[in-house]
Amino acid sequence: DAKTTQPNSMESNEEEPVHLPCNHSTISGTDYIHWYRQLPSQGPEYVIHGLTSNVNNRMASLAIAEDRKSSTLILHRATLRDAAVYYCILDAGGTSYGKLTFGQGTILTVHP
Amino acid sequence: DSGVTQTPKHLITATGQRVTLRCSPRSGDLSVYWYQQSLDQGLQFLIQYYNGEERAKGNILERFSAQQFPDLHSELNLSSLELGDSALYFCASSPEVPGGAGGDTQYFGPGTRLTVL
Repeated sequence: DAKTTQPNSMESNEEEPVHLPCNHSTISGTDYIHWYRQLPSQGPEYVIHGLTSNVNNRMASLAIAEDRKSSTLILHRATLRDAAVYYCILDAGGTSYGKLTFGQGTILTVHP
Repeated sequence: DSGVTQTPKHLITATGQRVTLRCSPRSGDLSVYWYQQSLDQGLQFLIQYYNGEERAKGNILERFSAQQFPDLHSELNLSSLELGDSALYFCASSPEVPGGAGGDTQYFGPGTRLTVL
């Protein structure tokens, strides 16, 4: 499985934008980039995913580098409810389809 | 609410015992996944079922087994329990089809917290 690298932790202030980086230098052409987050005492929650183009949804934006070796999850205005562990995951499709390999993720702390 | 339900929420048992964890996927989802989350190993994929058939295995111990029933609910059976099996067990479901291109969302349940004493 292709591996992702994320910072262990990041901090933000409420109402400010947050940029969570992820490196995936061994990504293959068919790998989707997924972001999930896990709030305290809850199951992981889907945030966003993309393949090549930048993506936006109601929760966040995903910016994918042109060479696809890195991506950035953007929370436009952080709230206290966004404090969670954020996981960047590659989905290989094919016979690996659906098997999500979670790394350590990034612990996001949001200050009031 | 993801639409995935898991029972029980908490389970406390003794070493050597056997337990069954239950998962009901979202309506219409044919794929079910089981994950284990422990403090030292993080979130790890255990096994996947699609429409009643096992499709992928991860780091699942031989003492553990799972099945998916015709009504699509799934059960994870853990036997000869050890202290190290204490963990959160999550079930997820997805509308994905095995062998597909990838990119479908997995919807996770709230988890079952297993404590082995």
